[in-house]
Amino acid sequence: AQTVTQSQPEMSVQEAETVTLSCTYDTSESNYYLFWYKQPPSRQMILVIRQEAYKQQNATENRFSVNFQKAAKSFSLKISDSQLGDTAMYFCASSTGSARQLTFGSGTQLTVLP
Amino acid sequence: GAGVSQSPSNKVTEKGKDVELRCDPISGHTALYWYRQSLGQGLEFLIYFQGNSAPDKSGLPSDRFSAERTGGSVSTLTIQRTQQEDSAVYLCASSWDSNYGYTFGSGTRLTVV
Repeated sequence: AQTVTQSQPEMSVQEAETVTLSCTYDTSESNYYLFWYKQPPSRQMILVIRQEAYKQQNATENRFSVNFQKAAKSFSLKISDSQLGDTAMYFCASSTGSARQLTFGSGTQLTVLP
Repeated sequence: GAGVSQSPSNKVTEKGKDVELRCDPISGHTALYWYRQSLGQGLEFLIYFQGNSAPDKSGLPSDRFSAERTGGSVSTLTIQRTQQEDSAVYLCASSWDSNYGYTFGSGTRLTVV
């Protein structure tokens, strides 16, 4: 079974600053995928970034990047130049080829302060 | 359609009544998922449909919960004899391959009074 742990229930950051959200996971699979989703107050879950475990290069999407440490089973999300619109709940998730659904962490509420 | 559509957006029901929640996935997505999100909590897997295969019902919390997917498209989640602990946001998602992530709907907020 997979587990995903987010140990920071809440975080805040000043606008234009950089913030890192932590996530650890546990899986016995060798092939798996990791995701960060954003859920603003509108409730719409939005895929932010995806990482394939067999790729060593960290994924990057504009201001969002990950620090994937496979041996440590760590998958943190870095948001650069934070914007007010980044205020949201952020969920880390994992999937494997054998498990057909994503397993989600408990979320981190990020607030960007003006 | 362009996205995953869920209806209603909000539903208030009396304890003991049955409710139906609807999900219309993205055209061409063979996989459809239902998750439950209680206040301030993460996402709890409920049920998964893949094409014409038997659904994975392993996440349904009790036999009061059921779901069906007609014609490989629209899905309905039914909760019978609702209880106050059923109050939550019910999220539907669809995908062509879960390893590429899901597209979620905006959810139905269910309140049982």
